[in-house]
Amino acid sequence: QQQVKQSPQSLIVQKGGISIINCAYENTAFDYFPWYQQFPGKGPALLIAIRPDVSEKKEGRFTISFNKSAKQFSLHIMDSQPGDSATYFCAASPNSGNTPLVFGKGTRLSVIA
Amino acid sequence: GAVVSQHPSRVICKSGTSVKIECRSLDFQATTMFWYRQFPKQSLMLMATSNEGSKATYEQGVEKDKFLINHASLTLSTLTVTSAHPEDSSFYICSAYRTGGADTQYFGPGTRLTVL
Repeated sequence: QQQVKQSPQSLIVQKGGISIINCAYENTAFDYFPWYQQFPGKGPALLIAIRPDVSEKKEGRFTISFNKSAKQFSLHIMDSQPGDSATYFCAASPNSGNTPLVFGKGTRLSVIA
Repeated sequence: GAVVSQHPSRVICKSGTSVKIECRSLDFQATTMFWYRQFPKQSLMLMATSNEGSKATYEQGVEKDKFLINHASLTLSTLTVTSAHPEDSSFYICSAYRTGGADTQYFGPGTRLTVL
């Protein structure tokens, strides 16, 4: 499987701050980039996803920024809250969602009051 | 909408026994489902792709005779861990691909398997 590199491995943010998680990929065939949120003992939940035809997508406090030329994409969580404390995974696949996702290694986010 | 369930949520079994895990798409049809495995504090690793009415496609290094996958209907895929051993203890997660709308994969809540 082609790798998706995710950083940082862990992140501590103060309540109300901005959490930023970055991912990079090599496979130019990737054209679908979702982000998942996972709480301990639970399955991943889709947060937001983007395709290469746009450079940014926003849903509520969550924004994906996409840089096709650099082959990078990032998740921004605005006004971070303690309830956002979870592990976040970026992923990529070459054909919408009908092909297996390649996951990053995950970022453990802790939002402190 | 787009709910995926797994059963059981937790299972403890003795070494050498077989365990079946079900993955159901509750409100949509899924021609394709995926099975992932996740060890503590690690990422999800794809085990196999399950296609309704055909044989599953396994990832390199995954024993198809040990991890039997059956996608018998458009809403159900099963993973059977045969002759389970302690090293098979893990968190098994399925996902189902939903066409139309968001056109994306939705994940189940996972099954925690512990082999004694």
